[in-house]
Amino acid sequence: KQEVTQIPAALSVPEGENLVLNCSFTDSAIYNLQWFRQDPGKGLTSLLLIQSSQREQTSGRLNASLDKSSGRSTLYIAASQPGDSATYLCAAPNTGNQFYFGTGTSLTVIP
Amino acid sequence: ETGVTQSPTHLIKTRGQQVTLRCSSQSGHNTVSWYQQALGQGPQFIFQYYREEENGRGNFPPRFSGLQFPNYSSELNVNALELDDSALYLCASSLVGSGAETQYFGPGTRLLVL
Repeated sequence: KQEVTQIPAALSVPEGENLVLNCSFTDSAIYNLQWFRQDPGKGLTSLLLIQSSQREQTSGRLNASLDKSSGRSTLYIAASQPGDSATYLCAAPNTGNQFYFGTGTSLTVIP
Repeated sequence: ETGVTQSPTHLIKTRGQQVTLRCSSQSGHNTVSWYQQALGQGPQFIFQYYREEENGRGNFPPRFSGLQFPNYSSELNVNALELDDSALYLCASSLVGSGAETQYFGPGTRLLVL
């Protein structure tokens, strides 16, 4: 069974900092990995999907990388803003496209 | 907005009761997955339906059951509710076979079991 771990569990940074969120997974036989954002009490918003054939994906100030061989993915957020404050979750699917989630990183960006 | 809707938004039940949660998938999507998210945890996979058939199940007891309808909307039914069933229930739709199978999540139903 796929196990997904995210570190750190919580992160607090001043506005404008660049930051890195980490995700590791035990089964490297994934065919994609997805990063989500969750605001308190809300559903999940998809941020980036990286196919296994890709090494990274970018959307605006977000960049996600994938290293299947080491079982790791990172989400890089450039020039953080208070509006980036949320919980960030990574999810890796099994072959049935059934996602296994980490417990998330709770990010607070201080103005 | 993802186009995935869920109802109701909030629900309070007592232990032993039964509950039905509903999900309307994004237009054109053929797969729906249900997840349970306890407070402070990541979502846990319950089951997935693909073209009205169950297509995988997580580590949840049989009292969790589901349906997917021809219009690809879906229901999650939970019988004999327990206190630990209190959680945010999320559904996600996707288009399997598209090659880029992003899951689109609804806003969730928050269930409280007393």
